[in-house]
Amino acid sequence: DTGVSQDPRHKITKRGQNVTFRCDPISEHNRLYWYRQTLGQGPEFLTYFQNEAQLEKSRLLSDRFSAERPKGSFSTLEIQRTEQGDSAMYLCASSFMAAGNTIYFGEGSWLTVV
Amino acid sequence: AQSVAQPEDQVNVAEGNPLTVKCTYSVSGNPYLFWYVQYPNRGLQFLLKYITGDNLVKGSYGFEAEFNKSQTSFHLKKPSALVSDSALYFCAVRDGSGGGADGLTFGKGTHLIIQP
Repeated sequence: DTGVSQDPRHKITKRGQNVTFRCDPISEHNRLYWYRQTLGQGPEFLTYFQNEAQLEKSRLLSDRFSAERPKGSFSTLEIQRTEQGDSAMYLCASSFMAAGNTIYFGEGSWLTVV
Repeated sequence: AQSVAQPEDQVNVAEGNPLTVKCTYSVSGNPYLFWYVQYPNRGLQFLLKYITGDNLVKGSYGFEAEFNKSQTSFHLKKPSALVSDSALYFCAVRDGSGGGADGLTFGKGTHLIIQP
């Protein structure tokens, strides 16, 4: 068990550019979550997958954001036409399916839009 | 909708003293409650959870939390604080009845500072 892995850990991009983050969940976890955390705030839920199906999206997930989990393993989160307000840490997490199961988080991917 | 309140932005405790980090929640169904800890520039580490059963839950690093249904609280406690416990602590809730968002809803976090 190597834990949830995220890449890159840090990304600096110019406003208007596209960025993509990758998440590798704990193996055999069938649920994968994306959260966003800004300074001074708790993590905010963005979306989650059960296997390859995206089952829920937060209203925070504007149409510039897209997430995929094509084979039910790793996931990508793409932000198109980045804005300064997108600067945050993007956290990926995974768990088994049952609601009482623990959600385990990765180290996060820091995005700075300049 | 579900929500979590952590009323203290910061808690200061002397090393060796007991500590309490407060959390209250609101959820329409059965509460599943979690505590996580975050060190600077790191992700969240799971400490403990309450799903059902005994109201006193024991977790990692000597932490425990008490579920109080009537007060809708889930305070984090430790009998004797260590300097290494200094970090940002998050309480989170999920509706175990299947209603509401499947993801966890977090509080804003409490900075715990343990003074030598």
